[in-house]
Amino acid sequence: KAGVTQTPRYLIKTRGQQVTLSCSPISGHRSVSWYQQTPGQGLQFLFEYFSETQRNKGNFPGRFSGRQFSNSRSEMNVSTLELGDSALYLCASSQPRDRGAGELFFGEGSRLTVL
Amino acid sequence: AQSVAQPEDQVNVAEGNPLTVKCTYSVSGNPYLFWYVQYPNRGLQFLLKYITGDNLVKGSYGFEAEFNKSQTSFHLKKPSALVSDSALYFCAVRDPLSGGYQKVTFGIGTKLQVIP
Repeated sequence: KAGVTQTPRYLIKTRGQQVTLSCSPISGHRSVSWYQQTPGQGLQFLFEYFSETQRNKGNFPGRFSGRQFSNSRSEMNVSTLELGDSALYLCASSQPRDRGAGELFFGEGSRLTVL
Repeated sequence: AQSVAQPEDQVNVAEGNPLTVKCTYSVSGNPYLFWYVQYPNRGLQFLLKYITGDNLVKGSYGFEAEFNKSQTSFHLKKPSALVSDSALYFCAVRDPLSGGYQKVTFGIGTKLQVIP
């Protein structure tokens, strides 16, 4: 079974631009979440989606948004990029029937560099 | 609110020696606890979890962890370290009462260095 796939793996943007990252969960997984990883802050929860609905949101500004499609694929968007948005963005999927007791399956991440 | 603390930024251990990576947590109810490992330029991989039951949990690659409710700790252990265990280790907690299924709080991570 294929794992969680994230694209692109690496990208470079300049301040003020916007970026869209994509995540395809493991087949059959309907819950998808996004995390931002930086050396100083560790992993910070961005948002969680299930059945195309946002179920939880972390403490990030409105420039960060996401969505989930009917096939469970998810995208996140960051608008008006700032230098501090440089990070590894990780997507994770899981089986919702485990009701939070199941482990998360992570993709390899999208490394965003903002110049 | 839920939180996790990993008090050590880095742990150094000689190959063949036992290793411990420390984790303490704070949740309002009974926690779901997890350990993940991250190798350079890779995503996180699940190692083990505690949901309920036996306090000693065994996981992948010979790792185990002990849930201690009175000390609110969930330390990761391995009897004999390998050089290949060198990586970044994350402890994570989820409060089942927090809503949603994937809102997990991660520790800052502990870098494990196994010295040959």
